[in-house]
Amino acid sequence: GDSVTQMEGPVTLSEEAFLTINCTYTATGYPSLFWYVQYPGEGLQLLLKATKADDKGSNKGFEATYRKETTSFHLEKGSVQVSDSAVYFCALIHTGNQFYFGTGTSLTVIP
Amino acid sequence: GAVVSQHPSWVICKSGTSVKIECRSLDFQATTMFWYRQFPKQSLMLMATSNEGSKATYEQGVEKDKFLINHASLTLSTLTVTSAHPEDSSFYICSAPTAGQGFVSYGYTFGSGTRLTVV
Repeated sequence: GDSVTQMEGPVTLSEEAFLTINCTYTATGYPSLFWYVQYPGEGLQLLLKATKADDKGSNKGFEATYRKETTSFHLEKGSVQVSDSAVYFCALIHTGNQFYFGTGTSLTVIP
Repeated sequence: GAVVSQHPSWVICKSGTSVKIECRSLDFQATTMFWYRQFPKQSLMLMATSNEGSKATYEQGVEKDKFLINHASLTLSTLTVTSAHPEDSSFYICSAPTAGQGFVSYGYTFGSGTRLTVV
């Protein structure tokens, strides 16, 4: 069945460091891929998405490219800020309306 | 934007008691609500889908008599964990398609989640 495997955390970085959070997926066909972010005390918010192979989703300095050949959707940001501290979830949606989420990666950025 | 208000944020209850979790759509009508659960170090997993005015659909392995879902209005869906036990301790979160967006455009709004601890 469909599934998402996400890099385990927690991740701690200094401000302005480069961020990569790995995400790979298993699905037949062509799922849509997402990164959601959850800030403390808030609901999951859509960060970015990509709906077909080679698409690049981007938002707030974060990027992720849909790689069909490696079944990956790694999240990257060139220079993280303290305000980026949150839990990040990789997810896919395929047939129907059910999301499949990764386990979430907690990111803490220290000044 | 669309907001789903989920309460409580966290709750501690004694084993054998029941706990009710509410999700309200504040500025849109949620005809459908998805309920997810996350155990430590595991993924968010879909438990059930509720539709306003009809019975909820439960995923395989989820006890419908233990996790009672009610979706009596277009703005309120509730999940009641009945006769809670320590193994029910988990993070529960709801999600609704945003009105006017539909499923295709993937406009989903999530609640802030409820951390349930059963002692």
